[in-house]
Amino acid sequence: QQQVKQSPQSLIVQKGGISIINCAYENTAFDYFPWYQQFPGKGPALLIAIRPDVSEKKEGRFTISFNKSAKQFSLHIMDSQPGDSATYFCAASIGGSGAGSYQLTFGKGTKLSVIP
Amino acid sequence: GAGVSQSPSNKVTEKGKDVELRCDPISGHTALYWYRQSLGQGLEFLIYFQGNSAPDKSGLPSDRFSAERTGGSVSTLTIQRTQQEDSAVYLCASSLFLVSYNEQFFGPGTRLTVL
Repeated sequence: QQQVKQSPQSLIVQKGGISIINCAYENTAFDYFPWYQQFPGKGPALLIAIRPDVSEKKEGRFTISFNKSAKQFSLHIMDSQPGDSATYFCAASIGGSGAGSYQLTFGKGTKLSVIP
Repeated sequence: GAGVSQSPSNKVTEKGKDVELRCDPISGHTALYWYRQSLGQGLEFLIYFQGNSAPDKSGLPSDRFSAERTGGSVSTLTIQRTQQEDSAVYLCASSLFLVSYNEQFFGPGTRLTVL
């Protein structure tokens, strides 16, 4: 199974609050889990990524938490700002030479609105 | 430096016509990918290239879709006999190497509208 399930579909957070987006996957062969941020009219841009050998990665206000046994990972945005308002996509990919290799399998996206 | 560029940015066509979408990857990137983004289906993978070779065409939605890459650089996605369900944003991405953990850099996309 190549699906990545993402929730919630939309999220409204007050400025300064914490935004949390969750993703779950089935395929244990996934070995790379990036989060992409997309603004209207633009292509997705990599925000932060993690590999399954670590349980957490932090870059500035953005943190990925990864739970390999539960096959779940999440994005936390601390001190959310209005400029963070965008659509966020989790994704996963597989290396190697088998079917589905290298393609990013995306979640359906979460539209985040940070209100002042 | 320059990012991934795509042209045209917008394309309106009539049902049944053929369209060509172009992608210029970041210079030196060996891997190139095409995705489609639509409201109903989200972001779907279509095809990837390692150099000029596309080992796996199974992501293309139908035989009306084809893609090629020449000189290890520019790629063209061609849709023949377009249908209304082909309306979507077509995104191209490139990465330095073809490994799963290499960042894929996306272009701004081509918005295709089939009337």
